Amino acid sequence: DAGVTQSPTHLIKTRGQQVTLRCSPISGHKSVSWYQQVLGQGPQFIFQYYEKEERGRGNFPDRFSARQFPNYSSELNVNALLLGDSALYLCASSLVGLGTEAFFGQGTRLTVV
Amino acid sequence: QKEVEQNSGPLSVPEGAIASLNCTYSDRGSQSFFWYRQYSGKSPELIMSIYSNGDKEDGRFTAQLNKASQYVSLLIRDSQPSDSATYLCAVISPNSGGGADGLTFGKGTHLIIQP
Repeated sequence: DAGVTQSPTHLIKTRGQQVTLRCSPISGHKSVSWYQQVLGQGPQFIFQYYEKEERGRGNFPDRFSARQFPNYSSELNVNALLLGDSALYLCASSLVGLGTEAFFGQGTRLTVV
Repeated sequence: QKEVEQNSGPLSVPEGAIASLNCTYSDRGSQSFFWYRQYSGKSPELIMSIYSNGDKEDGRFTAQLNKASQYVSLLIRDSQPSDSATYLCAVISPNSGGGADGLTFGKGTHLIIQP
């Protein structure tokens, strides 16, 4: 079975631009979460979606938004990119929503220049 | 502010010995606890989950949970060089809106297994 897939794997953007990251969960999983990981830190929670509804939001500015589609795939959008947004963006999928095991994709490495 | 604390290491352990990794968390409402392994440049890989007090064993790995002390640990028996990685402790707490605030991670412990 395919695991969590994310695209693209690497991305370089200029300050002020907008970016969209994509994630396909494990087949049968209905929950998708997004995380940001900067070097030397643990991943930081951005959003959780379950059954296409936002169920949790971390402490990130409104420049960050996300959505989940009927097929349970998800997009993370970041507007007005800052240098500090450079990070590894991770998507995790879970069978159901709350408190269950989450499996991560390979991540998208975003570099803002 | 929900926090998860880990010693960043590096923790150096001889091959074949037991590696002991520890984690404390601040939110008494936390209900689910996880250990992830992350190799350099890769994404986190789930090793263990634990939901109730006590020990849970899976192969060479044992997770231990003590909710009264707000403490989670991971033991790796018969440590191998391939176990060298950063180990992330993560917890989940429900939020007031009926959802969850996702996984709260510690900064990770860098483990080195010396051949």
